[in-house]
Amino acid sequence: GENVEQHPSTLSVQEGDSAVIKCTYSDSASNYFPWYKQELGKRPQLIIDIRSNVGEKKDQRIAVTLNKTAKHFSLHITETQPEDSAVYFCAASSGGYQKVTFGTGTKLQVIP
Amino acid sequence: NAGVMQNPRHLVRRRGQEARLRCSPMKGHSHVYWYRQLPEEGLKFMVYLQKENIIDESGMPKERFSAEFPKEGPSILRIQQVVRGDSAAYFCASSPDSTPEKLFFGSGTQLSVL
Repeated sequence: GENVEQHPSTLSVQEGDSAVIKCTYSDSASNYFPWYKQELGKRPQLIIDIRSNVGEKKDQRIAVTLNKTAKHFSLHITETQPEDSAVYFCAASSGGYQKVTFGTGTKLQVIP
Repeated sequence: NAGVMQNPRHLVRRRGQEARLRCSPMKGHSHVYWYRQLPEEGLKFMVYLQKENIIDESGMPKERFSAEFPKEGPSILRIQQVVRGDSAAYFCASSPDSTPEKLFFGSGTQLSVL
């Protein structure tokens, strides 16, 4: 089955700096890569996603890049703000019904 | 639309008891997924159900764990004879179909086994 690895496990940045989270996946058949944000004690929420026919996608301060050949994808957050502090999960979907496999998460702390 | 509703939010059980976790999907959603989250870890897939059918239970332990999604009522994740290692947050997600872009999570049930 699919295996998703995520790095780093923790990340501290100064407010206004950029943050980058990287993930790799194992199943070359995976074609959908969502990113979820989970604030402390709350539910995971989708923040951005990308399909394998696209190399990059942006939504305001958030962008995701995908390298199918290398089987890795990254989340980029620019001009970070304290409210960006949360745990971020990457994920990949494969299989006939698109089961979603999650990475282990990155705890992002934005220091004011 | 009330979103995905899970109850209870917190559940405390003693070793050997049974835990029943409920998940009501969003209105119009007929696909339910259960995930387990251990402290400092990611979301581990457990089981995927459609109404009255288990589609994939490859992530669910063979013993003590079962899941159902009846024609009427919420999806139920049942853990029999709980052990301390079952302590975790259990999240349910629903979607209107099998495409993952429309996956919405509930607020989770925190199970604590004493």
